Amino acid sequence: DTEVTQTPKHLVMGMTNKKSLKCEQHMGHRAMYWYKQKAKKPPELMFVYSYEKLSINESVPSRFSPECPNSSLLNLHLHALQPEDSALYLCASAQGILDSPLHFGNGTRLTVT
Amino acid sequence: QKEVEQNSGPLSVPEGAIASLNCTYSDRGSQSFFWYRQYSGKSPELIMFIYSNGDKEDGRFTAQLNKASQYVSLLIRDSQPSDSATYLCAVNFGGSGAGSYQLTFGKGTKLSVIP
Repeated sequence: DTEVTQTPKHLVMGMTNKKSLKCEQHMGHRAMYWYKQKAKKPPELMFVYSYEKLSINESVPSRFSPECPNSSLLNLHLHALQPEDSALYLCASAQGILDSPLHFGNGTRLTVT
Repeated sequence: QKEVEQNSGPLSVPEGAIASLNCTYSDRGSQSFFWYRQYSGKSPELIMFIYSNGDKEDGRFTAQLNKASQYVSLLIRDSQPSDSATYLCAVNFGGSGAGSYQLTFGKGTKLSVIP
């Protein structure tokens, strides 16, 4: 079982909908991440939170809005998405020290209709 | 531009053979390197990480790092059909603090192990 839990597993939404993706970890990690992965492509970094503060935003459109309510939780709020935003959205956490790997959740498969 | 390059494959090897996966990276100052395995439709799972020059072994897997050549590889001994997956090389181009630590992934190499 993964130690990073993402909900929902699948999400279908229309372009006018507002939805949220949720991520939770209880490993005491101080860095949390959102990655986006399209089919047959590598994961692409979207956002990094460090100690609950946004430290990296990789020029992500404002229709994606991250939130880190506390050190264990990470949300991604979605609004007015486009069909090309359909992808696997991966949450990850890490200690953030030199040799600590990213631990990924199982992902949310998002389809925008 | 910080880049991670991998041969996309597919790489086909017979069952029981050694599979060799290669990766190069652009930033000479990078310090930590990771191999992830990803099955179709699933999330990446960590196989190995390495940060010192040389070899690091874990079971059937060996990671090799050569910082002078900016090259990292993964060897899989006694390959099994269950090893068939996409292998992603990832490099930390950020710093060592939690806020700057971020991984950039290569495009992945698809491995097929033929029974």
